[in-house]
Amino acid sequence: QSALTQPASVSGSPGQSITISCTGTSSDVGGYNYVSWYQQHPGKAPRLMIYDVSNRPSGVSNRFSGSKSGNTASLTISGLQAEDEADYYCGSYTSSSTLYVFGSGTKVTVL
Amino acid sequence: EVQLVQSGAEVKKPGESLKISCKGSENSFTGYWIAWVRQMPGKGLEWMGIIYPGDSDTRYSPSFRGQVTISADMSITTTYLQWSSLKASDTAIYYCARHRSGRIKQQYLFYYMDVWGKGTTVTVSS
Repeated sequence: QSALTQPASVSGSPGQSITISCTGTSSDVGGYNYVSWYQQHPGKAPRLMIYDVSNRPSGVSNRFSGSKSGNTASLTISGLQAEDEADYYCGSYTSSSTLYVFGSGTKVTVL
Repeated sequence: EVQLVQSGAEVKKPGESLKISCKGSENSFTGYWIAWVRQMPGKGLEWMGIIYPGDSDTRYSPSFRGQVTISADMSITTTYLQWSSLKASDTAIYYCARHRSGRIKQQYLFYYMDVWGKGTTVTVSS
């Protein structure tokens, strides 16, 4: 099972909005509303930011939002801040034998 | 507090065996599945497999089946990841994470990971 496809990097200036895409297939992203997003700062463990496509866990800023259309999910960060600079991974349940698949990861740079 | 505490960094030689652990607090363990995730140096996250400590039901991603063994001891709320013969390519950080799940018609669906351990760094070098 190949990883879900994400852009390698996305950048933006403080205060701007950026969107990260996550493209899969009808066996994962497109077939189920079980897409999640994780933030990982260097040397740290991943942190759940969005689950079930668009839900935010308690404690996650409302500047983070998620959506999905067809086989592509998206994470939008609005009002970009320096602390948002990190790697972001999408993840999804998959009906294949892999059971769960991560995206390839996107490095977000705050200019 | 809900947390998963992982064992410390390991340095091993190729061919050696290894077992690393992930101990959960009661409320991070009971009734949940625990997954293991690999991150090779400078690379992305890879989902390795998952265990339900309550009955040791274990599932593996095809890429990792036969390469590692996942086990659990519910009496001490601990899960394990082990290798019988390490390779240099096993050098990575390994995370355990609590995996939220659901069940539809006898099939488990694994939704997302909401509690993560800090990771165990495994270095395999001659």
